Amino acid sequence: GENVEQHPSTLSVQEGDSAVIKCTYSDSASNYFPWYKQELGKRPQLIIDIRSNVGEKKDQRIAVTLNKTAKHFSLHITETQPEDSAVYFCAASMGTGNQFYFGTGTSLTVIP
Amino acid sequence: DAGITQSPRYKITETGRQVTLMCHQTWSHSYMFWYRQDLGHGLRLIYYSAAADITDKGEVPDGYVVSRSKTENFPLTLESATRSQTSVYFCASSESFREKLFFGSGTQLSVL
Repeated sequence: GENVEQHPSTLSVQEGDSAVIKCTYSDSASNYFPWYKQELGKRPQLIIDIRSNVGEKKDQRIAVTLNKTAKHFSLHITETQPEDSAVYFCAASMGTGNQFYFGTGTSLTVIP
Repeated sequence: DAGITQSPRYKITETGRQVTLMCHQTWSHSYMFWYRQDLGHGLRLIYYSAAADITDKGEVPDGYVVSRSKTENFPLTLESATRSQTSVYFCASSESFREKLFFGSGTQLSVL
């Protein structure tokens, strides 16, 4: 079936270091790839997204890259801070409808 | 984000009972979604709706029923609850096709 795979499931970094989370998708027709951050006990919230006509997008310390040929996309967080600690989910649009399928999440811990 | 609300926040029920989770949004967003969140599985799409009276199945629809008679409401019914349906349920909405999802605060459901 169609799915989105996300790695790693857990990630610990020292404050100030960079963090990278990777996702792969199966549907070659996918054209929208959002990333969500979920703090403990809270709702997921969009932090950045990218569409298939763009290879990279940046927003301050956060960037996303997309490789359509390899069907993978990655989230990059630079100069990590303790408040970046959360679970991060990648997602991809699937099929012809407005469906989004999510990865299984990455629990990021930034150690002060 | 207060524009999308879910109720109840917590619910405990017994196997075999019918349960309805409510979702209400004030933005007049066309699209609404129901996801369940389980450890190790991330967010999985149950059902989604493109407009009033238009609904479609997601990844894990079995055991669930939805309706959307009004744009602002999208209730999710578990017709005969099972223990495997113990989960956190998130409702979400988006303004247009393949755009940012806004999530509700979630309903934590326990089926005993």
